[in-house]
Amino acid sequence: SQTIHQWPATLVQPVGSPLSLECTVEGTSNPNLYWYRQAAGRGLQLLFYSVGIGQISSEVPQNLSASRPQDRQFILSSKKLLLSDSGFYLCAGTTAGSSTDTQYFGPGTRLTVL
Amino acid sequence: AQSVTQLGSHVSVSEGALVLLRCNYSSSVPPYLFWYVQYPNQGLQLLLKYTTGATLVKGINGFEAEFKKSETSFHLTKPSAHMSDAAEYFCAVSDLGYNKLIFGAGTRLAVHP
Repeated sequence: SQTIHQWPATLVQPVGSPLSLECTVEGTSNPNLYWYRQAAGRGLQLLFYSVGIGQISSEVPQNLSASRPQDRQFILSSKKLLLSDSGFYLCAGTTAGSSTDTQYFGPGTRLTVL
Repeated sequence: AQSVTQLGSHVSVSEGALVLLRCNYSSSVPPYLFWYVQYPNQGLQLLLKYTTGATLVKGINGFEAEFKKSETSFHLTKPSAHMSDAAEYFCAVSDLGYNKLIFGAGTRLAVHP
């Protein structure tokens, strides 16, 4: 079965500092990968998704970017964090060959920007 | 385009009572439907999914959901709530052909003694 790893689990960063969150996938090859954000008391917002190495689709204009340097690695970055970037960031992936779009989620990273 | 509406952002039940979380969807094609559960400060866990076949789907932790095409609904139920069921629940529909899930806003379930 597929496992999604994320780190770090929590992060406190000052405004204007850079960000790098990493997500790796175990147990499948060529997954679709996703980054979501949950702001406090709000639902899931899809930020980026990727169907392959180097292929990134952005869902909303923002201060963040994503990259997929390897098949099972997905990175969320920012050059300069804003207060509004605070939230709970979730990485998810689908199993290769799945026709049902079932997504499996990592444990999340809690980001607080001060 | 697909969309999901979850009626009730907060639901409160007594321990042992029936749990009913409502989900209605909009889809132009036969949908794939999902329920996920999220415990505090954790990722989402798949409870159950409907793809094709039997319209009553059983999931983990005693939950089940019934796909009703005529009502465009996929409500989640559990006969007897347990304190450990307190969590946030998300309904989702597959945006077929675009490799994405469309999530509802979520329903926070509280279970009191």
